[in-house]
Amino acid sequence: AQSVTQLDSQVPVFEEAPVELRCNYSSSVSVYLFWYVQYPNQGLQLLLKYLSGSTLVKGINGFEAEFNKSQTSFHLRKPSVHISDTAEYFCAVSESNAGNMLTFGGGTRLMVKP
Amino acid sequence: DAGVIQSPRHEVTEMGQEVTLRCKPISGHDYLFWYRQTMMRGLELLIYFNNNVPIDDSGMPEDRFSAKMPNASFSTLKIQPSEPRDSAVYFCASSLGGTSNQPQHFGDGTRLSIL
Repeated sequence: AQSVTQLDSQVPVFEEAPVELRCNYSSSVSVYLFWYVQYPNQGLQLLLKYLSGSTLVKGINGFEAEFNKSQTSFHLRKPSVHISDTAEYFCAVSESNAGNMLTFGGGTRLMVKP
Repeated sequence: DAGVIQSPRHEVTEMGQEVTLRCKPISGHDYLFWYRQTMMRGLELLIYFNNNVPIDDSGMPEDRFSAKMPNASFSTLKIQPSEPRDSAVYFCASSLGGTSNQPQHFGDGTRLSIL
């Protein structure tokens, strides 16, 4: 069975600084990878996804993520964050033989300070 | 386009009462998921349906929890009797089937407080 680990539960960063949110997964089969963002009192919104092809994936709001198969990682990055990026970020994995089920990481709270 | 619609957005009730949460998935989506989110346990999958049929309910915590999907556009999650430890935010999500690379689309959740 797959598992997803987000090592950092909280990441404080100053506005306009770069940020990286880490995600590692384990699985014995090929996977699809997703990042979701959750703003306060809202549901999860899809930020970006990796299905196949180029390992660098661009998403909404200037975020991007890189799939590294050898390190089983899918880290999320943004070169310059805004106050409005303050939210909870979830990494999720779907195994190729698991229907549409997602396994979520524990989430990382990004706190952007002025 | 209308997204996943959940009702009510907030529910406060007393212990022992029956609680019913409702979900309308995105039209055309054939997978529906119910999740529970708490600070302690994070996001947990409770049950999911494919073409209105429950596929995996191993995440349902107890017999007090039940879920139904009588048609493609409506699902309910019921708790009877409710307990204070059921307090959480409950999310419904839907996705298009076919392959496992389809993203799930989430509703805004129901914040449930059991007193």
